[in-house]
Amino acid sequence: NAGVMQNPRHLVRRRGQEARLRCSPMKGHSHVYWYRQLPEEGLKFMVYLQKENIIDESGMPKERFSAEFPKEGPSILRIQQVVRGDSAAYFCASSPRGQGAQPQHFGDGTRLSIL
Amino acid sequence: QQPVQSPQAVILREGEDAVINCSSSKALYSVHWYRQKHGEAPIFLMILLKGGEQKGHDKISASFNEKKQQSSLYLTASQLSYSGTYFCGTSLLGGGATNKLIFGTGTLLAVQP
Repeated sequence: NAGVMQNPRHLVRRRGQEARLRCSPMKGHSHVYWYRQLPEEGLKFMVYLQKENIIDESGMPKERFSAEFPKEGPSILRIQQVVRGDSAAYFCASSPRGQGAQPQHFGDGTRLSIL
Repeated sequence: QQPVQSPQAVILREGEDAVINCSSSKALYSVHWYRQKHGEAPIFLMILLKGGEQKGHDKISASFNEKKQQSSLYLTASQLSYSGTYFCGTSLLGGGATNKLIFGTGTLLAVQP
């Protein structure tokens, strides 16, 4: 009865490296959302995906950030050429359907630190 | 566009009650309430839909005033385990196919023995 699984829990990268964050939704959920949380701040929407489709990426920075949710395997949030400002907790959430009345269940997050 | 929560922080003694408000300047379809403890994932509490409904489970309940675009979370007879930061997440009316949530500014609740 696994919930939303994210890995790694902690990730350290040097400036200019790439970061890959993985998210496996709850069983039976095909909708995935990524949120970013800066220290002492709220959650900011980044992207909403269904299997093989990006539905809404209005919260994604235009450069260096990309997301995918392939037919098989976890959803991946990829950050290229990381900078210090990318340091944050990245949370993934999933829901069974995409309507606004569906609860989103969150994973434990990935804490990204940039040296 | 970000919903505003009030108060920003509240300190309670065990057994006391609290109300947390979430106000939006946009027409809302739904309001979701979450509690997050430091360093942990947000935990889903409940959803309220437009139409002005009230929900509750155990000693935590919430209401949604569609006219004011405001939701309130009621915590009665607070317990130590209620401590954490409470966030409202809102989905907008006419938001189309997206279920993205716009989260509020957060309310830090500390329950003391």
